[in-house]
Amino acid sequence: ETGVTQSPTHLIKTRGQQVTLRCSSQSGHNTVSWYQQALGQGPQFIFQYYREEENGRGNFPPRFSGLQFPNYSSELNVNALELDDSALYLCASSSPGQPNTEAFFGQGTRLTVV
Amino acid sequence: AQTVTQSQPEMSVQEAETVTLSCTYDTSESDYYLFWYKQPPSRQMILVIRQEAYKQQNATENRFSVNFQKAAKSFSLKISDSQLGDAAMYFCAYRRTFGNEKLTFGTGTRLTIIP
Repeated sequence: ETGVTQSPTHLIKTRGQQVTLRCSSQSGHNTVSWYQQALGQGPQFIFQYYREEENGRGNFPPRFSGLQFPNYSSELNVNALELDDSALYLCASSSPGQPNTEAFFGQGTRLTVV
Repeated sequence: AQTVTQSQPEMSVQEAETVTLSCTYDTSESDYYLFWYKQPPSRQMILVIRQEAYKQQNATENRFSVNFQKAAKSFSLKISDSQLGDAAMYFCAYRRTFGNEKLTFGTGTRLTIIP
């Protein structure tokens, strides 16, 4: 197992609601990336945070937003939920510039929007 | 923009046999990383093997090896002596060497191991 933990593991929300997903990065990692994985698809990059600043964003609308805290943990917030937001949300932590620049993933949060 | 293509949605192999999963990618970069990740039903992405584009030698990790053809932009994964625990979704992924460390994934190949 990696040291990346995500909460909650499962979540059911109603269309139009807001949701916050959380991620604790592996010790020593200062970069957190979020991915959305729809059923039967590969993960799609949402955005990345490096030292509390957004460091790149994928093709997702502004209602997807995030934060990174001084301890490098992170939140993903999604406003005005739509049915198509139902997916597995994965968090990955890494430490740029290290010899083994590998991203470690959490087990994900399964979000269902009804 | 970089793209990663996995043309085999599903593959199956007899236990103890060898299977090869295919991946092609497109990029204008000369320096990058390529990865194979395994995603079992537990959902957690697990790194199987990594290849740096500047290295001509193909990466190997125990029963897992790659065939990296840079000119052809091809990156296949060979699993030898397949085991029941190898059953999972396998994703090929690309990442630039410099700048934002986002991973670009393919659509995955579901590997079934037949006892």
